[in-house]
Amino acid sequence: DILLTQSPAILSVSPGERVSFSCRASQSIGTSIHWYQQRTNGSPRLLIKYASESISGIPSRFSGSGSGTDFTLSINSVESEDIADYYCQQSNSWPRTFGGGTKLEIK
Amino acid sequence: DVQLQESGPDLVKPSQSLSLTCTVTGYSITSGYSWHWIRQFPGNKLEWMGYIHYSGSTNYNPSLKSRISITRDTSKNQFFLQLNSVTTEDTATYYCASGNYGYFDVWGAGTTVTVSS
Repeated sequence: DILLTQSPAILSVSPGERVSFSCRASQSIGTSIHWYQQRTNGSPRLLIKYASESISGIPSRFSGSGSGTDFTLSINSVESEDIADYYCQQSNSWPRTFGGGTKLEIK
Repeated sequence: DVQLQESGPDLVKPSQSLSLTCTVTGYSITSGYSWHWIRQFPGNKLEWMGYIHYSGSTNYNPSLKSRISITRDTSKNQFFLQLNSVTTEDTATYYCASGNYGYFDVWGAGTTVTVSS
């Protein structure tokens, strides 16, 4: 199985700052990585597909980059509503796997 | 819009079977996509469990392969999860989701199942 490692476990930023989440794959997966946001008591919501492709209805402050083994999700100017857990997921091979998540806190 | 909703018992005894239903509205499960079960353990780890394709074929996580079955009722636009011989380690929130070219674009609200005697 492909292991996805997310770091750090917790990020704390002030509103308006830029923040980046890291996801590292245990082997090269091209751009087959997808990012999800999960607010407290909510379901995961797809934010970015295939490393950098935008999703309809998702604010433009969310962006993704990377290929191979290292991937980044960025929020350009953090807002209070962005408080959530963020997960990466790979679709390069079966079984599909998820990273352990990064929690975003607002200072 | 496509919507998914899980339903089923919230408490299951060890060694018994866990059975959940996902009701899909807004799209026919025989028209396209794949239809997945994903669970989230206490502590928030997410695990993909398996899917049923719109064609009816299935694919399961090898870690569960001997215990899991995903079926469907096309007349009711529902698909089902059965997980046999459950233990306390199967306590989780279970989500159904639609799969589209590798990613999961629509999720249900989730249902929490506790395995306990």
